Amino acid sequence: EAGVAQSPRYKIIEKRQSVAFWCNPISGHATLYWYQQILGQGPKLLIQFQNNGVVDDSQLPKDRFSAERLKGVDSTLKIQPAKLEDSAVYLCASSSRAGPSAEQYFGPGTRLTVT
Amino acid sequence: AQSVTQPDIHITVSEGASLELRCNYSYGATPYLFWYVQSPGQGLQLLLKYFSGDTLVQGIKGFEAEFKRSQSSFNLRKPSVHWSDAAEYFCAVGAIQGAQKLVFGQGTRLTINP
Repeated sequence: EAGVAQSPRYKIIEKRQSVAFWCNPISGHATLYWYQQILGQGPKLLIQFQNNGVVDDSQLPKDRFSAERLKGVDSTLKIQPAKLEDSAVYLCASSSRAGPSAEQYFGPGTRLTVT
Repeated sequence: AQSVTQPDIHITVSEGASLELRCNYSYGATPYLFWYVQSPGQGLQLLLKYFSGDTLVQGIKGFEAEFKRSQSSFNLRKPSVHWSDAAEYFCAVGAIQGAQKLVFGQGTRLTINP
């Protein structure tokens, strides 16, 4: 079974530039999550999708971050414009069902450096 | 809202020694509890989870964890560590009611001395 795929693995941009990350979840997983992991901290949920609908985006900085999950499969997370404090690893995860008891499967992440 | 504290940022143990990683949570009821491991350059992998029942749970790679309600703790243990256990370990808590999301601790980095 293929795992969660993410690209790119690494990205370096200057502040005020835009960047997009892509995630392909495990086949058949209806729930998809985007996390931000700042160095030295645990992952923080940015947004959760159930199929192509948003379940929770309470911690997504909506003035600069956006995410979509067209057709309920792949997802894209965008930052526009980027700030220095956005430097982090962005993790995508998926699960077969929603709810906090569901096992989440994580991708390898995209490491973003904003200079 | 739920929260998680991992008091130890970095732990070093010798190969073959026993290991205990601490996790304390804050939540009004019994939460869902998880331990994840993250190797360098990789995503998180679930080691074990606790929802209810037996308070000692077994996981993959020889790890176990014990839920202690009176101490609001869910410590991770392994009797004998291997060099391949060097990684970052995260405790996470999920609320049964309210916000249906996982909250992660800040992690404990484990170094293994040969």
